[in-house]
Amino acid sequence: SQQGEEDPQALSIQEGENATMNCSYKTSINNLQWYRQNSGRGLVHLILIRSNEREKHSGRLRVTLDTSKKSSSLLITASRAADTASYFCATDARNSGYALNFGKGTSLLVTP
Amino acid sequence: ETGVTQSPTHLIKTRGQQVTLRCSSQSGHNTVSWYQQALGQGPQFIFQYYREEENGRGNFPPRFSGLQFPNYSSELNVNALELDDSALYLCASSSNLAYEQYFGPGTRLTVT
Repeated sequence: SQQGEEDPQALSIQEGENATMNCSYKTSINNLQWYRQNSGRGLVHLILIRSNEREKHSGRLRVTLDTSKKSSSLLITASRAADTASYFCATDARNSGYALNFGKGTSLLVTP
Repeated sequence: ETGVTQSPTHLIKTRGQQVTLRCSSQSGHNTVSWYQQALGQGPQFIFQYYREEENGRGNFPPRFSGLQFPNYSSELNVNALELDDSALYLCASSSNLAYEQYFGPGTRLTVT
């Protein structure tokens, strides 16, 4: 079963616009991570936010975490065509070892 | 690009056959996790190996088995293949059970 659920399922924007993706999860977590996947290939780690953090930045990425609402958001600013990919949130549920639980992902299309 | 490699890239097998997929972890990483990703879905955790011992297992039947070798490379074996086993199989490595995982490009398995 999948712990996280991303919203929206698909997002289409133009270059230069911002893209926001949301993730909701069900159980208490230690960390939440965001990964990117290009066209059915391997996943690339983007950012990790710990359960005691509320916001984190990395380049054009901004991640927020609200543990009271069990939700996170990923903002990509000034998007580029190269940002076109699927984005997944992954949580590690407490007491389940170090397995990552992924949602179904948001498919982002950035058009020139 | 991560330092995680997987072989083969693509594989076609017949229902009932057995398959072995291989993964070489990134240098310095002693933890390997395997994930199954069906089309349009997020990755699902199969199992994890830490220092040659299984460290956790997802909701997969016993016909999914694995090994980790002294050099921390790993194999995923699937017996009695079923059509639903058709998926992208992803291997991820990390250091000392760290939450941040580095993924290989995956093996695309098609069962006919």
